[in-house]
Amino acid sequence: EVQVAEAGGGLIQPGGSLRLSCAASGFTVSLNYMSWVRQAPGKGLEWVSIISSSGSTHYADSVRGRFTISRDTAKNTLYLQMNSLRAEDTAVYYCARDRSGWGNYMDVWGKGTTVTVSS
Amino acid sequence: QSALTQPASVSGSPGQSITISCTGTSSDVGSYDLVSWYQQHPGKAPKVIIYEVNKRPSGVSNRFAGSKSGNTASLTISGLQAEDEADYYCCSYAGHNTVLFGGGTKLTVL
Repeated sequence: EVQVAEAGGGLIQPGGSLRLSCAASGFTVSLNYMSWVRQAPGKGLEWVSIISSSGSTHYADSVRGRFTISRDTAKNTLYLQMNSLRAEDTAVYYCARDRSGWGNYMDVWGKGTTVTVSS
Repeated sequence: QSALTQPASVSGSPGQSITISCTGTSSDVGSYDLVSWYQQHPGKAPKVIIYEVNKRPSGVSNRFAGSKSGNTASLTISGLQAEDEADYYCCSYAGHNTVLFGGGTKLTVL
């Protein structure tokens, strides 16, 4: 079965760091575009970052310079390293397979992992 | 960049048709046929129902249809069913390696 599962969320103080992971099964992460999308409590979806099959990475303005997307081919896992966290980063973070890139066809989503940034 | 503009809410009775608009600019929706629509039920992950403006993934009902004219994309749901009650988000490539979502539309089936 094709699926992804996020992990690594939790409660973190402002200014802290957290690394999210997204373990994939049934497909190869490195052969696909993979995206992170977040959803603040009661709010809409917000695209965060993408990594292409070639390894190029791109970020939303709101997280550029603080977040880093990466992948581990051997573990078939996607990551999101989040530094200098702010209250406004509080959200459910989803990873998704992005079949045609650029948010156009995100067909496999996890259940999400919750990040709460608060003192 | 601002989010794409969607109506906050729409409603319809079972069997009726509704349309949700998604207005962007000539830099995003108007420039690329990379517009998709996602359905999200409460507490669940989003599900893609339309991609590349008007294509349906396998398994998605043909009651869902997408279109685009200029800077505005639209999602039409025909033959409304109770299970269609959910939040709907449009999404578009916005150039310069970025992606924009709409603010979301809550569909209520009366």
